[in-house]
Amino acid sequence: GQQLNQSPQSMFIQEGEDVSMNCTSSSIFNTWLWYKQEPGEGPVLLIALYKAGELTSNGRLTAQFGITRKDSFLNISASIPSDVGIYFCAGQMVGANSKLTFGKGITLSVRP
Amino acid sequence: DTGVSQDPRHKITKRGQNVTFRCDPISEHNRLYWYRQTLGQGPEFLTYFQNEAQLEKSRLLSDRFSAERPKGSFSTLEIQRTEQGDSAMYLCASSFGNPHEQFFGPGTRLTVL
Repeated sequence: GQQLNQSPQSMFIQEGEDVSMNCTSSSIFNTWLWYKQEPGEGPVLLIALYKAGELTSNGRLTAQFGITRKDSFLNISASIPSDVGIYFCAGQMVGANSKLTFGKGITLSVRP
Repeated sequence: DTGVSQDPRHKITKRGQNVTFRCDPISEHNRLYWYRQTLGQGPEFLTYFQNEAQLEKSRLLSDRFSAERPKGSFSTLEIQRTEQGDSAMYLCASSFGNPHEQFFGPGTRLTVL
């Protein structure tokens, strides 16, 4: 079963607000990735992180690889309506080769 | 640069029938992955190919499931004797170089009646 924890299941914010999401695990991960999925589509890669403590930005998105290697954070600044979607964290566990483990996702709603 | 494509996008079948899905990865991507996603869940790993070799299979991949990548390019996923529990979105992804940056296709949504 899945070993990445994302909560809450849903988040509702006002357009223009910043939002933070986190992802935790009881196991150590070598790589953390954040994906966004829209209805009827496959997940789209947003940010990939490879080193503990790494902070990476992609436009209004910033993500961090936790120092303990058991968590990661995604921040979205100045949200806009098109940020609506399901945000998944994913990671590659130690010894898991190419297999990715995904969280259950957080559904983000943005009120105009 | 075309992304990962999957065909069909939707498939409705009756229980007990066989179904086959196709995935075309991004050109020159040597790694190809199949995942399954059910409602309210994240994708779950099924199997992975490097070129034509199937290198890993999840315990989720029962003996009714078989995947192939005969020439190291496109892949097929076949489900025999479908069951209602097989209803899900089947996602394909590909990668090159860094194996963890996987790019997903739009998925095939399977409904088993």
